[in-house]
Amino acid sequence: GAVVSQHPSRVICKSGTSVKIECRSLDFQATTMFWYRQFPKKSLMLMATSNEGSKATYEQGVEKDKFLINHASLTLSTLTVTSAHPEDSSFYICSASPSGETQYFGPGTRLLVL
Amino acid sequence: SQKIEQNSEALNIQEGKTATLTCNYTNYSPAYLQWYRQDPGRGPVFLLLIRENEKEKRKERLKVTFDTTLKQSLFHITASQPADSATYLCALYMDSNYQLIWGAGTKLIIKP
Repeated sequence: GAVVSQHPSRVICKSGTSVKIECRSLDFQATTMFWYRQFPKKSLMLMATSNEGSKATYEQGVEKDKFLINHASLTLSTLTVTSAHPEDSSFYICSASPSGETQYFGPGTRLLVL
Repeated sequence: SQKIEQNSEALNIQEGKTATLTCNYTNYSPAYLQWYRQDPGRGPVFLLLIRENEKEKRKERLKVTFDTTLKQSLFHITASQPADSATYLCALYMDSNYQLIWGAGTKLIIKP
């Protein structure tokens, strides 16, 4: 149980394009979903917290117009990287929490912006 | 300042021995602490959760201790196997804002 999927697992795009990443909780309803970014050999960096049906809460320094988050249902959240640039290349990971305590992570999405 | 520290250097352990990883924190009062395993290019996988009023938690070959006085958690893997090789992350759960605060992780290498 507690499986979270992410799609796509890997994406390469040209600079200036937008990329959408989906995060789904497959066997539970997630009241809260989290989006993280991770650089090589670095800790997970929380980007935003989203609750179903409400606007996401962004961490300091994360541009909300750059990283659009939609939590449309209790099983789906999307992160759209708008007008992506090479510095946005990173490993993006989502997690979902059924209860607010334990987070269950997706497998991550590797984004490369050329 | 607030920080959470894990050994940044890789830990090399001989197969069959017990691996012990450390997580230290300062200026936090977490409700509980979690340990996760992360393999390269993958998301973290939840392993164990220990609450502030618990001293020790076990799950199969895993054992976690939590000393809120020392502000330290130890994560043990007994009878270690090469398949245990991964990066292990500790995270503090802050019930004030429902967030996890992450350590940078320790890379564990179990040599056959």
